[in-house]
Amino acid sequence: AQKVTQAQTEISVVEKEDVTLDCVYETRDTTYYLFWYKQPPSGELVFLIRRNSFDEQNEISGRYSWNFQKSTSSFNFTITASQVVDSAVYFCALESNYQLIWGAGTKLIIKP
Amino acid sequence: KAGVTQTPRYLIKTRGQQVTLSCSPISGHRSVSWYQQTPGQGLQFLFEYFSETQRNKGNFPGRFSGRQFSNSRSEMNVSTLELGDSALYLCASSSVGAGIDAGELFFGEGSRLTVL
Repeated sequence: AQKVTQAQTEISVVEKEDVTLDCVYETRDTTYYLFWYKQPPSGELVFLIRRNSFDEQNEISGRYSWNFQKSTSSFNFTITASQVVDSAVYFCALESNYQLIWGAGTKLIIKP
Repeated sequence: KAGVTQTPRYLIKTRGQQVTLSCSPISGHRSVSWYQQTPGQGLQFLFEYFSETQRNKGNFPGRFSGRQFSNSRSEMNVSTLELGDSALYLCASSSVGAGIDAGELFFGEGSRLTVL
């Protein structure tokens, strides 16, 4: 069965702290894609990253970084030096058969 | 370039009625997928179309249907509305569509449906 688990329902940190959002997935596919999306209060899902199953290199984009580990089926997302504008709900998703299977999302609150 | 446009943004219906939601993808994108988002169930896949063909369908009853036109615009229809259909319906477009060569999905702001 395909499944994505985001165990952290809500995280609250003070601005400038680092924060890691966890994502664990299950799939029997040997080739697959993983995604992270951000959903601000406006509702629109904003693409952050896509990673295919053959590429286990970690990625850094500014204050954002992603750690993909196939051995533990995890694709974690870290925000360094968090800012109030990072407050949103973050979703991890697994692509399978022309659809995205979503985690439940983690609500991130950054306090000034 | 213009993003994904969904209409209407908000609508209120009563039980038993039907509703049609529209999605205009980014120009050049041939794949359109639909998702339902509710507080209880989260984001759930409804269906995906590519070049007017439905390639996959989620686990929703037959009351939920969709189609795609030759210009890639898509509509979804929900008949005999139930209270539980109240949700944010999100449309996403992609140049290649979610699949083995999945590309980035661009989402619209959604259509928020309230069923009374």
